[in-house]
Amino acid sequence: QSALTQPASVSGSPGQSITISCTGASSDVGGYNYVSWYQQHPGKVPKLLIFEVSNRPSGVSNRFSGSKSGNTASLTISGLQAEDEADYYCFSYTSSSTYVFGTGTKVTVL
Amino acid sequence: EEQLVESGGGLVQPGGSLRLSCAASGFTFSDYLTHWVRQAPGKGLMWVSRIREDGGTLSYADSVKGRFTISRDNAKNTVYLQINSLTAEDTAVYYCGRGLPHKYTFDIWGQGTAVTVSS
Repeated sequence: QSALTQPASVSGSPGQSITISCTGASSDVGGYNYVSWYQQHPGKVPKLLIFEVSNRPSGVSNRFSGSKSGNTASLTISGLQAEDEADYYCFSYTSSSTYVFGTGTKVTVL
Repeated sequence: EEQLVESGGGLVQPGGSLRLSCAASGFTFSDYLTHWVRQAPGKGLMWVSRIREDGGTLSYADSVKGRFTISRDNAKNTVYLQINSLTAEDTAVYYCGRGLPHKYTFDIWGQGTAVTVSS
């Protein structure tokens, strides 16, 4: 159950778009359309942004979008805003009927 | 308001045990799975365990299997996590999360309960 691989940090200027990758294996990311993304501000509880690769829960901004290709899932934040500065984690179901988080990515708004 | 509230954390010596609780309110608890997730100080999230709506089909991360036991009491709207043989590596904030049926994700998190393992 190794953590999914994410870049440690990604940065962008306000208004830009950024993409965070999440690389796993055929036994997790690549094998199921059960990838979620969570946002966590410092000292706060994580918040669900995306589930089932590309679905947004009610109330989540459409600036957040998800996709997947092979063993890699991606989260794109469009129109980057200061409030988007946070840590982001991917999360996937696995073939062992367990789950695994990504290593986490710190997003900085320049 | 739909919410989860964890309790039971604290300071425990290495080798000790704790029972964490996750109390649900504002929704039909027995319709949802429940997950436990932990976060060590300054570190990322780690999935720990999951229990189905009816208490069946338990699932654990390899690093806690055999030491942690998840259970639930739907009459009390509560899920429990019994954690045994604690080591310093188990020091973390433990969160419970409401699992969405057939969606393989969880949408509501509690505020967490802190477990510190130290002599």
